[in-house]
Amino acid sequence: QQQVKQSPQSLIVQKGGISIINCAYENTAFDYFPWYQQFPGKGPALLIAIRPDVSEKKEGRFTISFNKSAKQFSLHIMDSQPGDSATYFCAASSKAAGNKLTFGGGTRVLVKP
Amino acid sequence: GAVVSQHPSRVICKSGTSVKIECRSLDFQATTMFWYRQFPKKSLMLMATSNEGSKATYEQGVEKDKFLINHASLTLSTLTVTSAHPEDSSFYICSTRGAGGYTFGSGTRLTVV
Repeated sequence: QQQVKQSPQSLIVQKGGISIINCAYENTAFDYFPWYQQFPGKGPALLIAIRPDVSEKKEGRFTISFNKSAKQFSLHIMDSQPGDSATYFCAASSKAAGNKLTFGGGTRVLVKP
Repeated sequence: GAVVSQHPSRVICKSGTSVKIECRSLDFQATTMFWYRQFPKKSLMLMATSNEGSKATYEQGVEKDKFLINHASLTLSTLTVTSAHPEDSSFYICSTRGAGGYTFGSGTRLTVV
């Protein structure tokens, strides 16, 4: 059972455009929702994270929108740059489950110059 | 946030041999470390949770005798792939959770020939 579903699997966006990645979860016990960026051959790096008591969080060009009732959250990358080309993973965890991260399937983003 | 150093970054070994991967927490006392496996173009799969001074907790379907985990100190966790076979070839990543969230190592590309 996939607890965190991520879409799309891949995304091509022009430089300066907006990249939007969506995730949906099933477990209502999840209380921490991070997004990670991963370049080929490297470990994931935390981009931004949100807790369910907040509906939106912005850090620079990255924004998380969170809809608790719909059990969905999304990542918006504004003014996308070629250097943003990477794989992005959403994830979720809960204290009740020992804070173990459950990852979405990933989205490969290609930003064309 | 926490800094995690993972070594080696790449290793090639012969079938039947064992390989040890090290994960060090450089500026943080990590009582818990997480070990993930990632197949090409796939998401991260949690293999096990290592706990300092006690036995690791393995996820369902992960062979504890094949993937030996040791967490003897607050700064070092190791994963040993025993009697490696070509199907063990994968990208292995460690992670720890600090005040700023989860930090991941840079990963180890294991190729078993």
